[in-house]
Amino acid sequence: EAQVTQNPRYLITVTGKKLTVTCSQNMNHEYMSWYRQDPGLGLRQIYYSMNVEVTDKGDVPEGYKVSRKEKRNFPLILESPSPNQTSLYFCASSQDRFAGYTFGSGTRLTVV
Amino acid sequence: SQKIEQNSEALNIQEGKTATLTCNYTNYSPAYLQWYRQDPGRGPVFLLLIRENEKEKRKERLKVTFDTTLKQSLFHITASQPADSATYLCARHMDTGRRALTFGSGTRLQVQP
Repeated sequence: EAQVTQNPRYLITVTGKKLTVTCSQNMNHEYMSWYRQDPGLGLRQIYYSMNVEVTDKGDVPEGYKVSRKEKRNFPLILESPSPNQTSLYFCASSQDRFAGYTFGSGTRLTVV
Repeated sequence: SQKIEQNSEALNIQEGKTATLTCNYTNYSPAYLQWYRQDPGRGPVFLLLIRENEKEKRKERLKVTFDTTLKQSLFHITASQPADSATYLCARHMDTGRRALTFGSGTRLQVQP
């Protein structure tokens, strides 16, 4: 089944403790992206990648890092999480610029 | 900056009627617009894409229009069913090298049986 897989689904962590949210797609898509979704603010893009080793900032990149060493994986790294990064995170991928995105099931992160 | 706006008020309609959702954008026209469906706690699901040179696109009971004069896209669901109840998101993309998709905040649709 074609899908984007995120892990973990839920995560509660403490301020300052580094964490990684994994994202993997099995569709050989070139484009991958991370979004966060907050009530009243909608989906906001954090980072995206057009291909292996090619990444760029989205609208809200502060406090996040990404890497794209392999085509299928696009992990999101929070080096020092803070409570304002509590949110619902989505990874997404698409074949090309004219195709719709396939989203993962989401990761609900709480930073206390 | 490029903005995309959707009516934040929920839309309530009776089963069998046509639901019409609105997406307005600012500044210059995007190369295309996309529409997604999102259920609570789930990831958005891609529905339709319409290019700026297309006036209308259809898929089963769904229809999307793109009016560059009004800077607006309309999303229609005909013969609506309670299962169509969800939040519908509009997204814009500029025809540049960047793959940056900007989403509206979505409109919640509730179809009453």
